[in-house]
Amino acid sequence: QKEVEQDPGPLSVPEGAIVSLNCTYSNSAFQYFMWYRQYSRKGPELLMYTYSSGNKEDGRFTAQVDKSSKYISLFIRDSQPSDSATYLCAMSFTGGGNKLTFGTGTQLKVEL
Amino acid sequence: GAVVSQHPSWVICKSGTSVKIECRSLDFQATTMFWYRQFPKQSLMLMATSNEGSKATYEQGVEKDKFLINHASLTLSTLTVTSAHPEDSSFYICSALLAAVWETQYFGPGTRLLVL
Repeated sequence: QKEVEQDPGPLSVPEGAIVSLNCTYSNSAFQYFMWYRQYSRKGPELLMYTYSSGNKEDGRFTAQVDKSSKYISLFIRDSQPSDSATYLCAMSFTGGGNKLTFGTGTQLKVEL
Repeated sequence: GAVVSQHPSWVICKSGTSVKIECRSLDFQATTMFWYRQFPKQSLMLMATSNEGSKATYEQGVEKDKFLINHASLTLSTLTVTSAHPEDSSFYICSALLAAVWETQYFGPGTRLLVL
């Protein structure tokens, strides 16, 4: 079993839809949770980072962390074609050498 | 803020030659940088952790003599692929740790290496 599980997709939605992207993890030591967006042939771009359980909102993006269930989500409201990319969840913990453990990434396509 | 650059963005070289990739944090100092490689449709694989002024720490299975890492300043780390072979062709990405923001890593745009 991988430490971080993420549905690879591809996920195809119409423009304007609400998108839900999810990751589950098995290591209860994880404390920091991040979502990155990666366009084809580009480096990952940090979208959201959270530390505790609960919700964090930034524009059209909402990150949700449920540590009791070891489950994190990223919601994208009013999705746009420019949101088409691969979304990677990542996690780390204090004492882990600042290393990130990544999910495999979910490929999202927002269609006109 | 928190911009990381990489140079070159792509490189083609002959088998047996060495290739150097630079990673720079442009607007912040990074005592720690990371090097990853990524194969098509796969996630990032951590190769090594680069700490300024000290030897890099390599992940299991990564040859330290093949992938030389130097972190000579707080804004620059270099990865040299020595005696490159076709199987080294990949997308190499660096990141820099912005320690003030919950141990957050900011990534460079990546370097695509093709070894013929």
